Amino acid sequence: DVKVTQSSRYLVKRTGEKVFLECVQDMDHENMFWYRQDPGLGLRLIYFSYDVKMKEKGDIPEGYSVSREKKERFSLILESASTNQTSMYLCASSWGSGAFQETQYFGPGTRLLVL
Amino acid sequence: AQKVTQAQTEISVVEKEDVTLDCVYETRDTTYYLFWYKQPPSGELVFLIRRNSFDEQNEISGRYSWNFQKSTSSFNFTITASQVVDSAVYFCALSEEGGGADGLTFGKGTHLIIQP
Repeated sequence: DVKVTQSSRYLVKRTGEKVFLECVQDMDHENMFWYRQDPGLGLRLIYFSYDVKMKEKGDIPEGYSVSREKKERFSLILESASTNQTSMYLCASSWGSGAFQETQYFGPGTRLLVL
Repeated sequence: AQKVTQAQTEISVVEKEDVTLDCVYETRDTTYYLFWYKQPPSGELVFLIRRNSFDEQNEISGRYSWNFQKSTSSFNFTITASQVVDSAVYFCALSEEGGGADGLTFGKGTHLIIQP
């Protein structure tokens, strides 16, 4: 069975804190993704990675960085959290060389509140 | 640029009714992929179906069916004999073979409410 897990379901942080969101997949997928989901704006891609140590910017990378040191793990980092980063964060993974052509499997999401 | 439109923001039906969720897409590629996802209140996006542009056969899976029509650029989703557990937000999504910066484009979603 496909399994993508995220380190926290709910997270509350203060403005200016450094925040780490972790995502782990157990399907040996090459590609991993981070999205944020906001009411009225839908899902927007922050970053994706098609291989270990590789990363590509998505639509809204500003204020975020990522790390992929191992194939199964993809971390999203908020260097200095701000209130406008309060959102639902979704991680996904997919196999194959075409990052977006194959099915993406999503984790349960992390609801982040920045105060 | 690719685009997905789900014109129905919210649909409310009574249990056991059939309901169709519309999805219209725009793309310049001849090879592309269409997806439907379900997002229940728990928040996780659950994959339902993937279809490539060369496969226009309609698909049925239990109470779910999908109607892909290239002529109208539509990929509609029908739930037959709806149940309360079908209540969720449903997303249609599109990716092009060329991939690239556009990645996977999601529609804004249709919130489906099934009343008992």
